[in-house]
Amino acid sequence: DQQVKQNSPSLSVQEGRISILNCDYTNSMFDYFLWYKKYPAEGPTFLISISSIKDKNEDGRFTVFLNKSAKHLSLHIVPSQPGDSAVYFCAATISGGYQKVTFGTGTKLQVIP
Amino acid sequence: KAGVTQTPRYLIKTRGQQVTLSCSPISGHRSVSWYQQTPGQGLQFLFEYFSETQRNKGNFPGRFSGRQFSNSRSEMNVSTLELGDSALYLCASSQSGQEHTEAFFGQGTRLTVV
Repeated sequence: DQQVKQNSPSLSVQEGRISILNCDYTNSMFDYFLWYKKYPAEGPTFLISISSIKDKNEDGRFTVFLNKSAKHLSLHIVPSQPGDSAVYFCAATISGGYQKVTFGTGTKLQVIP
Repeated sequence: KAGVTQTPRYLIKTRGQQVTLSCSPISGHRSVSWYQQTPGQGLQFLFEYFSETQRNKGNFPGRFSGRQFSNSRSEMNVSTLELGDSALYLCASSQSGQEHTEAFFGQGTRLTVV
């Protein structure tokens, strides 16, 4: 049972445009959400997170939006750069769950110069 | 400051054998988590250790086990290997293990079972 779903396995965007990566979750107990970026042959690196008490968190070119009623979150990258080309994982956790993080299957983003 | 180090980077084993993977966390980090990454399944949580105690466990069979040493280094062991155990095994360390701490991942160990 995939509790965190990333339904788009891949996405291509032109450099300078907005990239929107989507994620849905089914477990209403999740209250903290994270996005990780992964380059080939490297481990995932933390990108940005959001608590369920917020609906938006921004960090430079990256913004995460959370819609709790729809159990949906999205990552916006503006403007997209070729170096952003990577696999992006959405992840969720429950407070008190320590480091037990549930990941989605990832979306491969390609930013075309 | 050194990152999370996983050894070996690549491993080929035969079905039925056992394997031990090692993870050295970032200095000062006391929480180590292990994940299995396979195509189509994403990263699946195996277990998390903090101060030598397993605090959380994912839905994997008992063939998958782990431990953590007093210096926070961790090992995971897979016994009676199956072809389906072929995957990238990632470990992640965090400072205190508190639930909202972002984890730092190692490069992973690529295990191939033949």
